[in-house]
Amino acid sequence: DSGVTQTPKHLITATGQRVTLRCSPRSGDLSVYWYQQSLDQGLQFLIQYYNGEERAKGNILERFSAQQFPDLHSELNLSSLELGDSALYFCASSVGLAGFAGANVLTFGAGSRLTVL
Amino acid sequence: AQKVTQAQTEISVVEKEDVTLDCVYETRDTTYYLFWYKQPPSGELVFLIRRNSFDEQNEISGRYSWNFQKSTSSFNFTITASQVVDSAVYFCALSEPRSSNDYKLSFGAGTTVTVRA
Repeated sequence: DSGVTQTPKHLITATGQRVTLRCSPRSGDLSVYWYQQSLDQGLQFLIQYYNGEERAKGNILERFSAQQFPDLHSELNLSSLELGDSALYFCASSVGLAGFAGANVLTFGAGSRLTVL
Repeated sequence: AQKVTQAQTEISVVEKEDVTLDCVYETRDTTYYLFWYKQPPSGELVFLIRRNSFDEQNEISGRYSWNFQKSTSSFNFTITASQVVDSAVYFCALSEPRSSNDYKLSFGAGTTVTVRA
């Protein structure tokens, strides 16, 4: 158990629907990252939050949004779902922003597998 | 342009054979970090090693060893005397500075290692 908790583990939904994926970071970690893993795109960085604030955006679609709450858990909202959104969505956490100590090691959750039919 | 290239898509070996995974990266930064993560069949990504750009010392950890060659921008990973439990997808990743205290992590496409008994 990595300490990063993701729910749900599996989710099957239909095109056009909206889903919310939830992530609880490892205790003490302030940064949360979302990644999408699909067969054709590999591991793609979506977005990062640090202590409730958005820090960086990667290849996140406009139909997707995320937030980090005061208790540091994060949610990734996926709307107007398309078949191509079917993927494994990972949440990862780290202690904080990388500073002089260098890049932080990410601790990944087990992922949420989304299937859009 | 691909930041991290893992040229080998799949490698299949028989137990006790050594296997080397290639990783070539591209960056203009002088300060950066390289990582290897393992994704076993269970799906969760597990951190293996982090190396900063100023430390070219090779590292050995049990049956795992890493060869960092800055001159060729390579960070190769060798599993010695492979075991069935080593079967997994292995990802190389590059962390580059995004600002004075933040980094961006880019993953390679991954190499699937299958170790047969």
